[in-house]
Amino acid sequence: DTGVSQNPRHKITKRGQNVTFRCDPISEHNRLYWYRQTLGQGPEFLTYFQNEAQLEKSRLLSDRFSAERPKGSFSTLEIQRTEQGDSAMYLCASSLTGQINYGYTFGSGTRLTVV
Amino acid sequence: KQEVTQIPAALSVPEGENLVLNCSFTDSAIYNLQWFRQDPGKGLTSLLLIQSSQREQTSGRLNASLDKSSGRSTLYIAASQPGDSATYLCAAANNNDMRFGAGTRLTVKP
Repeated sequence: DTGVSQNPRHKITKRGQNVTFRCDPISEHNRLYWYRQTLGQGPEFLTYFQNEAQLEKSRLLSDRFSAERPKGSFSTLEIQRTEQGDSAMYLCASSLTGQINYGYTFGSGTRLTVV
Repeated sequence: KQEVTQIPAALSVPEGENLVLNCSFTDSAIYNLQWFRQDPGKGLTSLLLIQSSQREQTSGRLNASLDKSSGRSTLYIAASQPGDSATYLCAAANNNDMRFGAGTRLTVKP
């Protein structure tokens, strides 16, 4: 297992279209996180899963956004009716939580451009 | 809500100089603090992780310190090199998630 994998790396879509991103975490990690990053800013938390349960969602995650993690493995983030303001880098991270928190491992991100 | 601030926003230094990047956080009830490096258009690479019970961590030319009581962390880079040019992000983690600062954009000039 070489780390957290995200696909696609880049996505250009027309306003109003739906897009879906995929994240494959490190296999033994029980937690998976989604972040959004715009130019010049740090990543902003969107949501996280522990195994298959979605435990927290940020107010940034509007009704047009939905995330799933079936069977507690890979996760998908779908954006419906995309808007130009959705253009950003979408980052996925995973971690193993237990008695010691080993920190987050991030993927390379999916860059979304809405035209 | 945890707020993380990084100073300075940008830093330009000549090659070989030692430098310090600063990070402050408002809620001291953290599990750990993690420093990342981000190259333009890329994802985040973890540099150092400091558990809440630790005071510092070292990796090569990098040293990170943590003072929970004052809500501060510093990243010290010794003998900087042009290859160190990147954005450095600090992030404070609680039980549920991790909050980031806006980063310090570092340029090391040959």
